[in-house]
Amino acid sequence: SQTIHQWPATLVQPVGSPLSLECTVEGTSNPNLYWYRQAAGRGLQLLFYSVGIGQISSEVPQNLSASRPQDRQFILSSKKLLLSDSGFYLCAWSLAGYEQYFGPGTRLTVT
Amino acid sequence: QKEVEQNSGPLSVPEGAIASLNCTYSDRGSQSFFWYRQYSGKSPELIMSIYSNGDKEDGRFTAQLNKASQYVSLLIRDSQPSDSATYLCASSGGGADGLTFGKGTHLIIQP
Repeated sequence: SQTIHQWPATLVQPVGSPLSLECTVEGTSNPNLYWYRQAAGRGLQLLFYSVGIGQISSEVPQNLSASRPQDRQFILSSKKLLLSDSGFYLCAWSLAGYEQYFGPGTRLTVT
Repeated sequence: QKEVEQNSGPLSVPEGAIASLNCTYSDRGSQSFFWYRQYSGKSPELIMSIYSNGDKEDGRFTAQLNKASQYVSLLIRDSQPSDSATYLCASSGGGADGLTFGKGTHLIIQP
Protein backbone atom coordinates (compact mmCIF):
# COMPACT_ATOMS: atom_id res chain seq x y z
CA SER A 1 0.00 0.00 0.00
CA GLN A 2 1.01 3.57 -0.56
CA THR A 3 2.30 5.80 2.24
CA ILE A 4 3.13 9.49 2.18
CA HIS A 5 5.50 11.11 4.66
CA GLN A 6 6.10 14.75 5.48
CA TRP A 7 8.61 16.34 7.80
CA PRO A 8 8.99 18.13 9.98
CA ALA A 9 5.55 17.94 11.58
CA THR A 10 5.84 21.41 13.12
CA LEU A 11 8.23 24.25 12.51
CA VAL A 12 8.71 27.72 13.99
CA GLN A 13 10.90 30.00 11.93
CA PRO A 14 11.78 33.72 12.11
CA VAL A 15 10.93 36.11 9.31
CA GLY A 16 13.66 36.15 6.68
CA SER A 17 14.93 32.65 7.40
CA PRO A 18 15.06 29.89 4.75
CA LEU A 19 12.64 26.98 4.54
CA SER A 20 12.83 23.40 3.34
CA LEU A 21 9.91 20.98 3.67
CA GLU A 22 10.16 17.45 2.39
CA CYS A 23 7.58 14.97 1.17
CA THR A 24 8.18 11.37 0.13
CA VAL A 25 5.82 8.72 -1.18
CA GLU A 26 6.27 4.97 -0.79
CA GLY A 27 4.61 2.09 -2.60
CA THR A 28 3.99 3.66 -6.00
CA SER A 29 5.91 4.85 -9.04
CA ASN A 30 5.63 8.05 -11.06
CA PRO A 31 2.95 9.67 -8.93
CA ASN A 32 1.66 13.18 -9.51
CA LEU A 33 2.73 15.25 -6.52
CA TYR A 34 1.19 18.40 -5.10
CA TRP A 35 1.89 21.07 -2.48
CA TYR A 36 -1.06 22.86 -0.87
CA ARG A 37 -1.24 25.46 1.89
CA GLN A 38 -4.09 25.92 4.33
CA ALA A 39 -3.90 29.28 6.09
CA ALA A 40 -5.98 30.06 9.16
CA GLY A 41 -9.58 30.75 8.16
CA ARG A 42 -8.89 30.06 4.50
CA GLY A 43 -9.37 27.13 2.19
CA LEU A 44 -6.76 24.80 0.81
CA GLN A 45 -4.73 26.55 -1.87
CA LEU A 46 -2.74 24.69 -4.54
CA LEU A 47 0.85 25.95 -4.65
CA PHE A 48 2.74 23.58 -6.98
CA TYR A 49 2.27 20.31 -8.78
CA SER A 50 4.61 17.92 -10.56
CA VAL A 51 4.00 15.13 -13.06
CA GLY A 52 7.60 13.90 -13.09
CA ILE A 53 11.21 14.46 -12.03
CA GLY A 54 12.23 18.05 -12.62
CA GLN A 55 8.75 19.04 -13.88
CA ILE A 56 7.17 21.71 -11.69
CA SER A 57 4.09 23.83 -12.33
CA SER A 58 3.42 26.86 -10.15
CA GLU A 59 -0.12 27.96 -9.42
CA VAL A 60 0.45 31.01 -7.24
CA PRO A 61 3.29 33.53 -7.63
CA GLN A 62 5.05 33.94 -4.29
CA ASN A 63 8.39 33.59 -2.57
CA LEU A 64 8.13 29.79 -2.48
CA SER A 65 9.64 27.28 -4.90
CA ALA A 66 9.38 23.53 -5.36
CA SER A 67 11.66 20.82 -6.68
CA ARG A 68 11.34 17.14 -7.48
CA PRO A 69 14.83 15.64 -7.45
CA GLN A 70 13.60 12.02 -7.35
CA ASP A 71 10.49 10.24 -8.55
CA ARG A 72 8.89 10.03 -5.11
CA GLN A 73 10.38 13.10 -3.44
CA PHE A 74 8.91 16.60 -3.49
CA ILE A 75 10.53 19.56 -1.73
CA LEU A 76 9.09 22.98 -0.91
CA SER A 77 11.57 25.78 -0.29
CA SER A 78 11.90 29.46 0.42
CA LYS A 79 14.96 31.67 0.62
CA LYS A 80 13.34 34.23 2.95
CA LEU A 81 10.14 33.55 4.85
CA LEU A 82 7.40 36.15 5.28
CA LEU A 83 4.83 36.32 8.09
CA SER A 84 2.18 35.50 5.48
CA ASP A 85 3.87 32.15 4.81
CA SER A 86 2.51 30.75 8.08
CA GLY A 87 0.08 27.90 7.59
CA PHE A 88 -0.49 24.18 7.31
CA TYR A 89 1.48 22.77 4.37
CA LEU A 90 0.14 19.62 2.83
CA CYS A 91 1.71 17.31 0.28
CA ALA A 92 -0.54 15.04 -1.78
CA TRP A 93 -0.11 12.34 -4.40
CA SER A 94 -2.30 10.84 -7.10
CA LEU A 95 -2.08 8.38 -9.97
CA ALA A 96 -3.41 9.13 -13.45
CA GLY A 97 -5.16 12.27 -12.26
CA TYR A 98 -7.73 10.65 -10.02
CA GLU A 99 -8.10 10.78 -6.26
CA GLN A 100 -5.50 12.75 -4.31
CA TYR A 101 -4.25 11.51 -0.96
CA PHE A 102 -2.73 13.84 1.58
CA GLY A 103 0.22 13.46 3.90
CA PRO A 104 0.08 14.37 7.59
CA GLY A 105 1.17 17.97 6.93
CA THR A 106 3.68 20.46 8.35
CA ARG A 107 2.43 23.27 10.54
CA LEU A 108 4.65 26.31 9.93
CA THR A 109 4.63 29.38 12.15
CA VAL A 110 6.69 32.34 11.00
CA THR A 111 7.48 34.74 13.87
CA GLN B 1 -11.43 31.91 -11.82
CA LYS B 2 -12.43 28.50 -10.58
CA GLU B 3 -14.44 28.59 -7.35
CA VAL B 4 -16.08 26.05 -5.10
CA GLU B 5 -18.62 27.41 -2.63
CA GLN B 6 -19.75 25.78 0.59
CA ASN B 7 -21.80 26.97 3.53
CA SER B 8 -19.30 27.29 6.38
CA GLY B 9 -21.82 26.23 9.04
CA PRO B 10 -21.72 25.05 11.69
CA LEU B 11 -24.32 22.50 10.65
CA SER B 12 -25.73 20.77 13.71
CA VAL B 13 -27.41 17.36 13.26
CA PRO B 14 -28.75 14.97 15.91
CA GLU B 15 -27.07 11.59 16.25
CA GLY B 16 -28.71 8.99 14.01
CA ALA B 17 -30.12 11.57 11.58
CA ILE B 18 -29.07 12.30 8.00
CA ALA B 19 -26.51 15.06 7.50
CA SER B 20 -26.73 16.85 4.15
CA LEU B 21 -23.75 18.85 2.89
CA ASN B 22 -23.78 20.86 -0.31
CA CYS B 23 -21.43 22.69 -2.62
CA THR B 24 -21.55 24.50 -5.94
CA TYR B 25 -18.76 25.03 -8.44
CA SER B 26 -18.17 27.70 -11.06
CA ASP B 27 -16.05 25.94 -13.71
CA ARG B 28 -18.23 24.01 -16.17
CA GLY B 29 -15.09 22.22 -17.35
CA SER B 30 -14.72 20.45 -14.00
CA GLN B 31 -14.76 16.69 -14.46
CA SER B 32 -14.07 15.18 -11.05
CA PHE B 33 -15.45 15.91 -7.61
CA PHE B 34 -14.32 14.87 -4.18
CA TRP B 35 -15.38 15.05 -0.56
CA TYR B 36 -12.73 15.14 2.15
CA ARG B 37 -13.17 14.99 5.91
CA GLN B 38 -10.80 17.01 8.06
CA TYR B 39 -10.59 16.71 11.82
CA SER B 40 -9.21 19.69 13.72
CA GLY B 41 -5.42 19.85 13.39
CA LYS B 42 -5.26 16.92 10.96
CA SER B 43 -4.85 16.57 7.21
CA PRO B 44 -7.84 15.97 4.90
CA GLU B 45 -8.98 12.38 4.38
CA LEU B 46 -10.69 11.37 1.14
CA ILE B 47 -14.13 9.87 1.76
CA MET B 48 -15.88 10.02 -1.63
CA SER B 49 -15.16 10.70 -5.28
CA ILE B 50 -17.75 11.14 -8.04
CA TYR B 51 -17.22 11.61 -11.76
CA SER B 52 -20.62 11.28 -13.43
CA ASN B 53 -24.12 12.62 -12.85
CA GLY B 54 -26.24 10.80 -10.31
CA ASP B 55 -25.65 9.12 -6.98
CA LYS B 56 -22.74 7.10 -5.67
CA GLU B 57 -23.07 5.21 -2.42
CA ASP B 58 -20.35 3.89 -0.11
CA GLY B 59 -21.51 2.61 3.25
CA ARG B 60 -23.22 5.43 5.13
CA PHE B 61 -22.08 8.02 2.57
CA THR B 62 -23.82 9.03 -0.65
CA ALA B 63 -22.39 11.57 -3.05
CA GLN B 64 -24.65 13.25 -5.59
CA LEU B 65 -23.57 15.16 -8.70
CA ASN B 66 -25.65 17.36 -10.99
CA LYS B 67 -23.42 18.88 -13.66
CA ALA B 68 -26.24 20.87 -15.24
CA SER B 69 -26.80 22.69 -11.95
CA GLN B 70 -23.07 22.62 -11.05
CA TYR B 71 -24.01 21.12 -7.72
CA VAL B 72 -22.45 18.41 -5.56
CA SER B 73 -23.77 17.04 -2.30
CA LEU B 74 -22.83 14.53 0.37
CA LEU B 75 -25.34 12.68 2.53
CA ILE B 76 -24.26 10.96 5.72
CA ARG B 77 -26.82 8.48 7.04
CA ASP B 78 -27.06 7.38 10.67
CA SER B 79 -24.76 10.23 11.73
CA GLN B 80 -22.35 9.45 14.54
CA PRO B 81 -20.49 11.81 16.89
CA SER B 82 -17.28 10.68 15.17
CA ASP B 83 -18.60 12.27 11.97
CA SER B 84 -18.17 15.69 13.58
CA ALA B 85 -15.52 17.38 11.43
CA THR B 86 -15.05 19.88 8.62
CA TYR B 87 -16.08 18.53 5.23
CA LEU B 88 -14.25 19.88 2.19
CA CYS B 89 -15.68 19.78 -1.31
CA ALA B 90 -13.18 19.82 -4.18
CA SER B 91 -13.28 19.84 -7.96
CA SER B 92 -10.77 19.07 -10.69
CA GLY B 93 -10.55 19.57 -14.41
CA GLY B 94 -9.02 16.12 -14.70
CA GLY B 95 -5.56 14.97 -15.69
CA ALA B 96 -2.79 16.14 -13.40
CA ASP B 97 -4.68 19.28 -12.37
CA GLY B 98 -4.66 20.18 -8.73
CA LEU B 99 -7.88 20.40 -6.81
CA THR B 100 -9.93 23.52 -6.19
CA PHE B 101 -11.33 23.39 -2.67
CA GLY B 102 -14.22 25.05 -0.95
CA LYS B 103 -13.60 26.48 2.50
CA GLY B 104 -15.44 23.60 4.11
CA THR B 105 -18.58 23.02 6.17
CA HIS B 106 -18.19 22.42 9.89
CA LEU B 107 -20.49 19.55 10.88
CA ILE B 108 -21.46 18.87 14.50
CA ILE B 109 -23.27 15.67 15.41
CA GLN B 110 -25.12 16.10 18.69
CA PRO B 111 -25.29 12.98 20.90
